[in-house]
Amino acid sequence: EAGVVQSPRYKIIEKKQPVAFWCNPISGHNTLYWYLQNLGQGPELLIRYENEEAVDDSQLPKDRFSAERLKGVDSTLKIQPAELGDSAVYLCASSLGPDRTLHFGNGTRLTVT
Amino acid sequence: AQTVTQSQPEMSVQEAETVTLSCTYDTSESDYYLFWYKQPPSRQMILVIRQEAYKQQNATENRFSVNFQKAAKSFSLKISDSQLGDAAMYFCAYRSGGEGGSEKLVFGKGTKLTVNP
Repeated sequence: EAGVVQSPRYKIIEKKQPVAFWCNPISGHNTLYWYLQNLGQGPELLIRYENEEAVDDSQLPKDRFSAERLKGVDSTLKIQPAELGDSAVYLCASSLGPDRTLHFGNGTRLTVT
Repeated sequence: AQTVTQSQPEMSVQEAETVTLSCTYDTSESDYYLFWYKQPPSRQMILVIRQEAYKQQNATENRFSVNFQKAAKSFSLKISDSQLGDAAMYFCAYRSGGEGGSEKLVFGKGTKLTVNP
């Protein structure tokens, strides 16, 4: 089966600019996650979707971050405006079934200058 | 809130030897899952092994096995016959179990494993 696909792999932007990341989960996976991974740290959950519904977005900085998952498939994570501290890797994951094993994509490395 | 601690920022092992990575966690729950993920330079988090807390038997996956000590809240990963391809960051992770449990994975800070030829 095809894995979780994320794009772009790398993104370099200047601060105050907007940026968007895209994720295509494994076909049939109804749960989708966005994780933030700072350098030298483990990933931290930003938001979790069950189909189209965001069921856990408590860690998402809503003043500048937004996410959507139209039709319960692909998802987009947006930052506007970006700050220097947003430089990190943004990981997308999906899961299916009672064991809820997460399958991760390759992530997007964001550099804000 | 649950926390996961990996006390070894870096470890090294000779090819074909055995290495053990440590992980401790803090929780008041009785039903949960524990995981070890591998993250190579490609950045993709790859599941290495998982353990259900209600199972007393330690999980094994080929050269990978865990030592799950529930009372001590310890979950170490043993890699036998280490191979060059095992070099990566290894993350220990926790997830609540049972109905109504959080689906969130809580990760430790990771251990960088180097395999020397």
